[in-house]
Amino acid sequence: DTAVSQTPKYLVTQMGNDKSIKCEQNLGHDTMYWYKQDSKKFLKIMFSYNNKELIINETVPNRFSPKSPDKAHLNLHINSLELGDSAVYFCASSQQGTTYNEQFFGPGTRLTVL
Amino acid sequence: GNSVTQMEGPVTLSEEAFLTINCTYTATGYPSLFWYVQYPGEGLQLLLKATKADDKGSNKGFEATYRKETTSFHLEKGSVQVSDSAVYFCALKLTGGGNKLTFGTGTQLKVEL
Repeated sequence: DTAVSQTPKYLVTQMGNDKSIKCEQNLGHDTMYWYKQDSKKFLKIMFSYNNKELIINETVPNRFSPKSPDKAHLNLHINSLELGDSAVYFCASSQQGTTYNEQFFGPGTRLTVL
Repeated sequence: GNSVTQMEGPVTLSEEAFLTINCTYTATGYPSLFWYVQYPGEGLQLLLKATKADDKGSNKGFEATYRKETTSFHLEKGSVQVSDSAVYFCALKLTGGGNKLTFGTGTQLKVEL
């Protein structure tokens, strides 16, 4: 009954490869997010989708392409992986229109690019 | 632009010590303020929140008061436990803007016996 789940939990890959991370939420929320946490724990938003529509795109290289097939899923595809992409990627979800629009986070995907 | 500044860690305390983690913010407008906690190997969890000046957020013995005059939202706990060891993030959110959270850099807390 995990609220926000991500797969895989760990991903180790070579430079230049293409990889995807998947996120699913079973909270019935209408908004989902991707965050990147670097090695110093700094957390920065990358994308946000509301009802499958992109609403936040924070100057992320176009090698990163989010896709939201439905409100419950937001996947992140990364082309031509670079060393600097190594980080922990967190998915989150929230419901617009609630008092705090509280965001619920997934457990993270640790990506290591060699 | 909007930003959040937190005290650098790690902060190391003995069990039952008093905790303060400083957080100040810069924002255009009147943000909502949050503290999130990240336990080792886990995602972030909302710890407490406040939406307007002088509001006090509290949860699990932690408190923070929204101080508009000093643009601060310092986190406090009277008596920490080893289980409080985690990274604490201060964050702000402005109305509109896609519900975007702006985080501070996080402060690692280590509590020892």
